[in-house]
This record gives sequence, structure tokens and C-alpha cells, in this order.
Amino acid sequence: EIVMTQSPATLSVSPGERATLSCRASQSVKSNLAWYQQKPGQAPRLLIYGASTRATGIPARFSGSGSGTEFTLTISSLQSEDFAVYYCQQYNNWLGTFGPGTKVDIK
Amino acid sequence: QVQLVQSGTEVKKPGSSVKVPCKASGGTVSKYAISWVRQAPGQGLEWMGGIISMFGIVKYAHKFQGRVTIAANESTSTAYMELSSLISEDTAVYYCAKAPFIRFDSYFDSWGQGTLVIVSS
Repeated sequence: EIVMTQSPATLSVSPGERATLSCRASQSVKSNLAWYQQKPGQAPRLLIYGASTRATGIPARFSGSGSGTEFTLTISSLQSEDFAVYYCQQYNNWLGTFGPGTKVDIK
Repeated sequence: QVQLVQSGTEVKKPGSSVKVPCKASGGTVSKYAISWVRQAPGQGLEWMGGIISMFGIVKYAHKFQGRVTIAANESTSTAYMELSSLISEDTAVYYCAKAPFIRFDSYFDSWGQGTLVIVSS
């Protein structure tokens, strides 16, 4: 099983600032990496797939990069609605695994 | 656009089973891989298994094998996840999620709203 780790566990950011979230895989997943946003009481929402492709309707301030084992989600200028938990997921094989999440909260 | 619709809350006793439905509105379950992902209170996301009903393929995560059954009824466009021998640690929100393709190695582009299963005596 591929193990996903995310850092930091919590990121405190002021509105308008840039946020950089990291995700690491225990072995190469090529570009088969997705990012999700989850707000309290809601289901996860797909943000990025293929490591860097924004899903339909996702604002351009969200960008993804990386391949192999190291990935980054960048939110260029945090808006109030962006404070949430972010999960990465590898889907390089049928047993897709998620990272433990990074909580982005207000500084 | 296919939307996945789930029911609200189930309360079950330890040792019993729960069967959670997930209806595909605006489409059919047979055209996609449907997975089940659970989230314990305050915890992360855990893939349990999935189904590609068009080909009759079902896969389970090793952790749940023997205790979970995933099935689909194409006539009602509904997928089901049944979890047996419930323990308190099974208390969680259970989500169904759709892949955009007929394959398991995929991301999920649509999620149900989740069903809260509470296991308590």
C-alpha cells in the first residue's frame, strides 16, 4: 500500500496571503495525484487531478505541481472561503490512498 | 452531470449490520466506478472498496475484506455498501464517490453528501 503524508498538519495564514501545502508518497505515483478541499459538515470537493489540472469550476488561485513522490498545492491569495482541510490522494493503483490532511486556518 | 444522493443517519447496535444506499441522479451507476470512502469523527478519509457494475467487478480494501459487501442495482441506479459485525469504531460518515471513468485507479469527481452511521448500544 502506498502511504501518503502531508505537511504541515495545520497552516495558519492571513487572508490574501499565499499558502503552500505539501504531499509526499512513499513510492512514485507518477502524476496520479489529486487534491480535495473539505469544509466542516461537507463532502470533499475535487480541486486538482493529474497533479496539476484544475477541476471544473475551480478558481485559478489554486494550482498544483509535482510528480513522482513530491507534490505541492498552492493557494495564491487566500480567500475567506478557502479556510478548510485539504487532502491529497494517490490513484496510481486501484487501492487509492489519502493523506491525513492539512488544515488551513485563519491567522 | 451525475449527482450522488445519500440518506441521513443510521443508528445501529454493536454486532449488527448496516446497508447504506447511494442513488445516482441524472445518470446510471453502471457507467462509472463507484467507491465508498469513510471518515471517522475528526479523522481523515479511508477508501473501503468500489464497484464497476458494468463488468461485475468489485474490489475491497484489505482492512474491510470479509466484513463489507458492495453491490449495485442498475435498474434503480443505486449502489449499496453493507458493513457487518459493527463495532463502535465503525462510527463514521460513509461517502459514496464517483470516478469519471470505468476504472478504480482514479480520482473522484463527484461525492454523495455522506451517511452518518452511529454504532452504539
